[in-house]
Amino acid sequence: DAGVTQSPTHLIKTRGQQVTLRCSPKSGHDTVSWYQQALGQGPQFIFQYYEEEERQRGNFPDRFSGHQFPNYSSELNVNALLLGDSALYLCASSLGAGPSYEQYFGPGTRLTVT
Amino acid sequence: LAKTTQPISMDSYEGQEVNITCSHNNIATNDYITWYQQFPSQGPRFIIQGYKTKVTNEVASLFIPADRKSSTLSLPRVSLSDTAVYYCLVGDGNTGFQKLVFGTGTRLLVSP
Repeated sequence: DAGVTQSPTHLIKTRGQQVTLRCSPKSGHDTVSWYQQALGQGPQFIFQYYEEEERQRGNFPDRFSGHQFPNYSSELNVNALLLGDSALYLCASSLGAGPSYEQYFGPGTRLTVT
Repeated sequence: LAKTTQPISMDSYEGQEVNITCSHNNIATNDYITWYQQFPSQGPRFIIQGYKTKVTNEVASLFIPADRKSSTLSLPRVSLSDTAVYYCLVGDGNTGFQKLVFGTGTRLLVSP
């Protein structure tokens, strides 16, 4: 049983460009959350998708947007990239969206903005 | 959202028991307490979750006092591979949708 998978593993973009990161949840999971982790910091919640809708959002600008597909996979899009967007982007999935549901994290996508 | 406070770092030796305490003074009635472990360049891994009293699984124990304003993660007989960052989180149970708030975590270094 594959766990949470993310693609690509690494990505280098130029300031001002747009990027799309992809996530496939663990088999059977229906909820996907995205996190940004800067070097030396804990992960910061970006948003959560359940039933193809954004259910919760963290303190991130509208440049960060997402989508969840009928097969529960998800994309994270970031427009107008800034140098400060360089980070490890983590996707987590769970069966259900409530607080008692264990979240499984993927290995992350390392984004570098130059 | 309940804020958590935990030590920035801890040192231990192989074979010892490690206890990491987390403070969450304004925890809400519906909030769960969850601990995650993270190795460098990897996603966090769920360790244990509890609501009150004591919870034990194959890797750790979680002690929660009656007032739930703190919790202690106990790792029995640590090994070098337990060197990692440990995060204490308190889930927002009010909205029904989970929003994990990570702090800076506790960096545990296990030495031979």
